[in-house]
Amino acid sequence: AQKITQTQPGMFVQEKEAVTLDCTYDTSDPSYGLFWYKQPSSGEMIFLIYQGSYDQQNATEGRYSLNFQKARKSANLVISASQLGDSAMYFCAMREGLAGGFKTIFGAGTRLFVKA
Amino acid sequence: NAGVTQTPKFRVLKTGQSMTLLCAQDMNHEYMYWYRQDPGMGLRLIHYSVGEGTTAKGEVPDGYNVSRLKKQNFLLGLESAAPSQTSVYFCASSPGTLAYEQYFGPGTRLTVT
Repeated sequence: AQKITQTQPGMFVQEKEAVTLDCTYDTSDPSYGLFWYKQPSSGEMIFLIYQGSYDQQNATEGRYSLNFQKARKSANLVISASQLGDSAMYFCAMREGLAGGFKTIFGAGTRLFVKA
Repeated sequence: NAGVTQTPKFRVLKTGQSMTLLCAQDMNHEYMYWYRQDPGMGLRLIHYSVGEGTTAKGEVPDGYNVSRLKKQNFLLGLESAAPSQTSVYFCASSPGTLAYEQYFGPGTRLTVT
């Protein structure tokens, strides 16, 4: 069965520093996609970055990058130059391909606190 | 475009009552999902659909039913509400491929007393 694990319930980072949020996953489907979303205190879900299981290079989107280690089944989110506005909940998600019915499941999340 | 909309935004039910939550999307997306989010926790998948007329169970389907009679709408029903179903319910949609992100509605806050 699919599973997403985020082991850091809460993280603190100093403004302007980089931070890594961990995510490990488990699937037997060779075709899958990995996503990161941000949920600020206002409650909306904001898409950040995507990595496909067959992508050779790590995904990057502005200050966000995804450290994809397929053999270790990890997909860590790296936020560079943290800003106060980055304080939020961050969720890792996975969508399996045809074998998994294209369902998308989420991890429990990591709450990031950025300190001034 | 309105994106993904959810009706209602708030609702209070008594134990045993029934209700239907409506999710509508105007992006012609194939996939639609219902999640619940309990305080301080992640999103748990209740049911989802990969196309009009199809539905499938997610991680926590018990106590809920769904229907997708039209491509743009995905309905979530609670037949006999229980206090354990107090939660924020999110609907999401995405194009019918592996790679595209989900677009989320604003959520419905449901309280069952």
